[in-house]
Amino acid sequence: RKEVEQDPGPFNVPEGATVAFNCTYSNSASQSFFWYRQDCRKEPKLLMSVYSSGNEDGRFTAQLNRASQYISLLIRDSKLSDSATYLCVVNMGGTYKYIFGTGTRLKVLA
Amino acid sequence: DTAVSQTPKYLVTQMGNDKSIKCEQNLGHDTMYWYKQDSKKFLKIMFSYNNKELIINETVPNRFSPKSPDKAHLNLHINSLELGDSAVYFCASSHLDSGFYSFGPGTRLTVT
Repeated sequence: RKEVEQDPGPFNVPEGATVAFNCTYSNSASQSFFWYRQDCRKEPKLLMSVYSSGNEDGRFTAQLNRASQYISLLIRDSKLSDSATYLCVVNMGGTYKYIFGTGTRLKVLA
Repeated sequence: DTAVSQTPKYLVTQMGNDKSIKCEQNLGHDTMYWYKQDSKKFLKIMFSYNNKELIINETVPNRFSPKSPDKAHLNLHINSLELGDSAVYFCASSHLDSGFYSFGPGTRLTVT
């Protein structure tokens, strides 16, 4: 099993739709989780942290399911500008290493 | 103000050449990284330095040699370039173990 796995997509959704991605991780000792966003030909940028209790930032909600070892990102009321690749990032428990998923590509269509 | 900067942005070179990429951060972070993103968009860590000390050294050919002259700089030198080295190389910085990375704009390396 890969350390961090994401569905590569693309997820094609109309404007205004709600879309969710999951990211599974293999190391049960992982403690820190993040979502990053990467636009085409640009560098990844931090979108949000994922807390145990879940967290929300505007239209974005991130959640952690420790029992099933996955994190999720929910985007409500999708905008054209949300089109990007969303990378999950997971700490390898007990180490300095963070592993990036291969990303899920989202296309929001007009 | 540029937080993490890399030079050059584009690098086109022939097989067998030696090249360097430079990275600087002005965020006061104590840890810097080199990542390679290949054509399949997989972002893979290569090296990490914390306060000028190498702390992560992944399975990377020894043709790749990082150098950190100080906490704000991390350079990458590549010897005897091969076709498979073509990729985008991202420099990043963070406070150690935080997971909050700031990435540079990337260096798009093409080996012909």
